[in-house]
Order: sequence, then C-alpha cells, then structure tokens
Amino acid sequence: KAGVTQTPRYLIKTRGQQVTLSCSPISGHRSVSWYQQTPGQGLQFLFEYFSETQRNKGNFPGRFSGRQFSNSRSEMNVSTLELGDSALYLCASSSRRAGAGEQYFGPGTRLTVT
Amino acid sequence: GESVGLHLPTLSVQEGDNSIINCAYSNSASDYFIWYKQESGKGPQFIIDIRSNMDKRQGQRVTVLLNKTVKHLSLQIAATQPGDSAVYFCAENNQAGTALIFGKGTTLSVSS
Repeated sequence: KAGVTQTPRYLIKTRGQQVTLSCSPISGHRSVSWYQQTPGQGLQFLFEYFSETQRNKGNFPGRFSGRQFSNSRSEMNVSTLELGDSALYLCASSSRRAGAGEQYFGPGTRLTVT
Repeated sequence: GESVGLHLPTLSVQEGDNSIINCAYSNSASDYFIWYKQESGKGPQFIIDIRSNMDKRQGQRVTVLLNKTVKHLSLQIAATQPGDSAVYFCAENNQAGTALIFGKGTTLSVSS
C-alpha cells in the first residue's frame, strides 16, 4: 500500500502571498489531519477532515484553511503569508477519526516565507 | 490546558544498551497514547500505541508503559541500534478525543 504523499516537498514564498499544499492519504483512509511543525512550537494540530467535512480545528488564524475532496485527497491553503508561517507542514491519514487511532504521516512540505 | 511533555530533550546511549524515553501528560481523560519516531527530513513514523485500559504493550524491540496514576508514559527500546537515532514524540488524544496533542520530543543519539 502506498503511503501518504505530499506535494510539493519544498516551497519558497514571499510575505503576503498565498500557498496551497496537497496531501494524498493512504488508500481507504477517510481522515486527513494537518499539522504545523516548527523548532519552537513542535507539532501543532491545524485541522482534521473526515469524509469531506472539517471535524476539528486547532488554534490557528483564519488564514489557514483546508478542504477535502471526495477521493479523500486534501489541500491546505495559507493566505497572506507571514514570516512566522515558515514551517514543515505535515499531513497524516487514518482510517478512523484523529485521536481514535494511529495516524500515518507524509514526508511534509517545507515552506519558507521570505 | 492540554499539554504533553517529555522529561528530557536529549538522550545519549551506547549501541546495544536499552533506552527509556519518558513522557508526562496532563489530561487524565486521555484514553489513547502513541509514540512516533521522526528521522531528519522525514515525517513522523508510527512506533506503537496504547489505550488507557492497558498498562503495557510490546512491539518489536519496543515496549510502551502507561502509568495512569501519575500520568506517565514511557517508551523502552531494547538493544538500541544506530538506526534508532531520531527524535521521539509521544502524543495523547485531546479531551474530546478528536485530535492528537504532541509533546516537544526527545532526541535519541546512539553511538557505536
């Protein structure tokens, strides 16, 4: 079974721009969660999508949004980028709701905002 | 608030030793705990999990222990190998059971 894939792997953007990141979960998994990882804050939960609906959201501003398609693929969007948005963005998929069972992570997208 | 913490940010061991990585959690209502390993440049990799109705669970060379009385979680790695060098994270589910809350991580360094 193929693992979680994320595209692109690396991205450099300028302050004020917007960015869209993509995640393809493991086949059959309906839950996709997004996390932001930084050296200072560690792994922080952004949101979870399950069967195309956002089921849970972390403590991030509204500039961070996402969606999930009928094939469970998910996209995350960050608008009006700030320098502090530079981070590794990870998505994780699961056959159950986040918090109910193991999640499998992709390799991440490294976003650098200049 | 909800938080998961680790006792030591770094741990250095010799190849062949047993490693113990500790984690303290704060939410007594958490009923699911999980350990991840993250190597440089990669996403976290699932190691082992445990539910609150268990005290111990074993995998291949790894054991997770859960002490609900003192809200403590530990990961034991037997016969540690250089390939075990990585950052290890513990996580618990949040109060609603709808998300995982991660600790800061412990960097394990294995020297041969």
